[in-house]
This record gives sequence, C-alpha cells and structure tokens, in this order.
Amino acid sequence: QKEVEQNSGPLSVPEGAIASLNCTYSDRGSQSFFWYRQYSGKSPELIMFIYSNGDKEDGRFTAQLNKASQYVSLLIRDSQPSDSATYLCAVNINFNKFYFGSGTKLNVKP
Amino acid sequence: DARVTQTPRHKVTEMGQEVTMRCQPILGHNTVFWYRQTMMQGLELLAYFRNRAPLDDSGMPKDRFSAEMPDATLATLKIQPSEPRDSAVYFCASGLVLDRGTEKLFFGSGTQLSVL
Repeated sequence: QKEVEQNSGPLSVPEGAIASLNCTYSDRGSQSFFWYRQYSGKSPELIMFIYSNGDKEDGRFTAQLNKASQYVSLLIRDSQPSDSATYLCAVNINFNKFYFGSGTKLNVKP
Repeated sequence: DARVTQTPRHKVTEMGQEVTMRCQPILGHNTVFWYRQTMMQGLELLAYFRNRAPLDDSGMPKDRFSAEMPDATLATLKIQPSEPRDSAVYFCASGLVLDRGTEKLFFGSGTQLSVL
C-alpha cells in the first residue's frame, strides 16, 4: 500500500465551478499535509498546507482534513482555466519523510 | 528570489554511462530531498539529508545510485552504470523548517534524464 493515494483523474469542471480533489494516506503518524500544483513540464509548487489539528482557507483554496477517515481534500472555488494542472497531495511523516501521491489531473473548461 | 538550482536541465546518455546530477539548495535550508518522477510511479522519494547527513536512502537502488552532500551548498545524485529504466525527471527539493517541526519543500526545475 502506498503512503498516499490519489485518483489520477482527469477531473473536469466548468469555469466558475468548485473543484474538489481528495487523497488518502496510510500512516496515522502523519503530522502535516500539503497540496502542490504541477503544470505540465514544470516542477511542483506549494499551494497550501495544514497541520493535523485543523482546516485552512487561503483565497479560493480550502484544505480540509478528516483524520478519522485519513483523507485530505482540496477545494478550489471559482475554478479558472489557469487552475488546470496536476495536483499532488503530500504528507509529512514523523517530521521527516515527505511522501507524494501520484497526482490528480484537473481540467477547467472555459 | 531564492530558488533551488538543478543542473543539468536535460541529459541524454547511453546505457552504462555514469550520470551525475547536481543541486544547490536554497541558502538557509537544512534539508535536501531527491525525488524521481515518472508517469507510472509519480514522485518517488529516493533519499534525503538533514544538515548534510543522510537520513534515509531506502528508496534508492543501492547497487547503482549514490547520493552525497559534500557541503551545504551542493547535493549530488549519481547513477553508475545508468540503465534505460532510469529515464525519468529527477527533482531536488530543499526544506524550510516551520514551527511545529514540519517543513515546506521547494523544488528545483528538475533534470530530465534519458538513457538510450
């Protein structure tokens, strides 16, 4: 079992809609959770992160954690075509290792 | 604008040749991670260092891969001998420690490796 699992997608949403991305993690020792965005041919860039004690909102992005079910979600409100990318979920385990999911491809249609 | 610098950006080599990839972490970051990305496997953790000391390289094929950090400004990943299955994008990331002990990772632009 991989440490982080994501649906590869693609997830298609119309412009202006809410995009909902999810990942599950296997290690209950995970302390912090990250969402990275990766455009085709580029390197991952950090969008936001949360600790194990709460959710977080930053502009159009909201990250939520469900510890009981061991999944993390990223909501993107008012989706824009420029949000089209692959979104990588990552977990930080025991303040050491970072593990990434394989990413979910998001397409926002104009 | 601080960033992680990786060289070379692209490398084409023949099977059996040695490949060395270099990474300059962001000044002040004390953690360096090496990842390999392929379509099939996604981002795989190969090795990581904290304060130049190797903490874990269990994700790396030991018989052909080696990672070192000779000083605080340079991390290297070497493959010898290279094989076609090593073809991938290799990313270096350096970490900034936040409060509560976690870190933000900042990625370099990657090295696109093709082994023929």
